[in-house]
Amino acid sequence: DAGVIQSPRHEVTEMGQEVTLRCKPISGHNSLFWYRQTMMRGLELLIYFNNNVPIDDSGMPEDRFSAKMPNASFSTLKIQPSEPRDSAVYFCASSPTSGSWTGELFFGEGSRLTVL
Amino acid sequence: AQSVTQPDIHITVSEGASLELRCNYSYGATPYLFWYVQSPGQGLQLLLKYFSGDTLVQGIKGFEAEFKRSQSSFNLRKPSVHWSDAAEYFCAVGAGQGAQKLVFGQGTRLTINP
Repeated sequence: DAGVIQSPRHEVTEMGQEVTLRCKPISGHNSLFWYRQTMMRGLELLIYFNNNVPIDDSGMPEDRFSAKMPNASFSTLKIQPSEPRDSAVYFCASSPTSGSWTGELFFGEGSRLTVL
Repeated sequence: AQSVTQPDIHITVSEGASLELRCNYSYGATPYLFWYVQSPGQGLQLLLKYFSGDTLVQGIKGFEAEFKRSQSSFNLRKPSVHWSDAAEYFCAVGAGQGAQKLVFGQGTRLTINP
């Protein structure tokens, strides 16, 4: 089975531009997570969804960040306008949570964002 | 608030030597604890987890971890490391609704000397 698929793998953009990161979770997984990884702050949970519904977005840094999950097989994380401090690796992860939760998150390979 | 501390930012060991990576957590209730591994340019992969029961848990790739409530610790061990174990290791505690919200430590980078 395919794992979590993220695109683009690398994005270089200029400050002020809109950035959209995409994620396709593993089929059948009903929880989806967006994490951001930086050297300074480590891995931070931005937002997570259960059954396409946002459950906790307290990690979203500010209004410039938004995330959607229009259906069970697709999610986006949008940054508008982007700033240099948004440069990071953004990970999407999914997890099967029907029944007993196993605690295992399945991570994509990440989207490395550089904002100049 | 939940938190995880990994005191060692970088550890170097020789191939074949034993390994212990430290993890301390802060959580008000019984924690769900995890160790994940990240190879360069990759996402994270679950090594092992503790939910309840036996405090010594076995994971993949020959790793084990021991939960010690009195010390709020969940240290990762391996009796003999291989060059392929070089990676970054993250300890995490489950929090929030259904403990789905994982709070990660800062990570420990493991280097293996030949």
